[in-house]
Amino acid sequence: RKEVEQDPGPFNVPEGATVAFNCTYSNSASQSFFWYRQDCRKEPKLLMSVYSSGNEDGRFTAQLNRASQYISLLIRDSKLSDSATYLCVVKMRGGATNKLIFGTGTLLAVQP
Amino acid sequence: GAVVSQHPSRVICKSGTSVKIECRSLDFQATTMFWYRQFPKQSLMLMATSNEGSKATYEQGVEKDKFLINHASLTLSTLTVTSAHPEDSSFYICSAHRDSGGYEQYFGPGTRLTVT
Repeated sequence: RKEVEQDPGPFNVPEGATVAFNCTYSNSASQSFFWYRQDCRKEPKLLMSVYSSGNEDGRFTAQLNRASQYISLLIRDSKLSDSATYLCVVKMRGGATNKLIFGTGTLLAVQP
Repeated sequence: GAVVSQHPSRVICKSGTSVKIECRSLDFQATTMFWYRQFPKQSLMLMATSNEGSKATYEQGVEKDKFLINHASLTLSTLTVTSAHPEDSSFYICSAHRDSGGYEQYFGPGTRLTVT
């Protein structure tokens, strides 16, 4: 079983739509959680951290359910520029390093 | 701030040769840097953790003698792919963790390696 699992998509949505991505992680020792965005043939960029209380950044809302080991990302009012691969990322607890474990990513294509 | 560069951005080499990729933190110090590999339509896989002044820590299944890592200063880590083969063709990305704190890793723009 993969440590971080995501639906690979693609999710094809029209502009203005609301789209939700889900992610599950297998290691209960996971400490921190993030959503990254990766454009084609580019490096990943941090989109937002995910907190247990849920957090929002403009059109983006992230939720974490530790009991279910489940993370979500909601994008409202999709823009063409939101088209990218969204990576669910967890950081393990403990150790001297900040090792990140990446999910395989969910591809979003926003259509005009 | 928090810019990470990689060089070269793209390299094509012949099978059997070695290729060195540099990762630099331009405006911060990074005792710890990470090297990832990403094959097409797959996610980033951590290859190794590079530690300034000490040996790198390799992930399971990554050959340390094939992927040589040197982290000689607080702003530079290098990855050398030795005796490259076509199956080593991939997108190699580094990231750096800022010594001054915070949890974020800052990623370089990646190096696309093609071995012919």
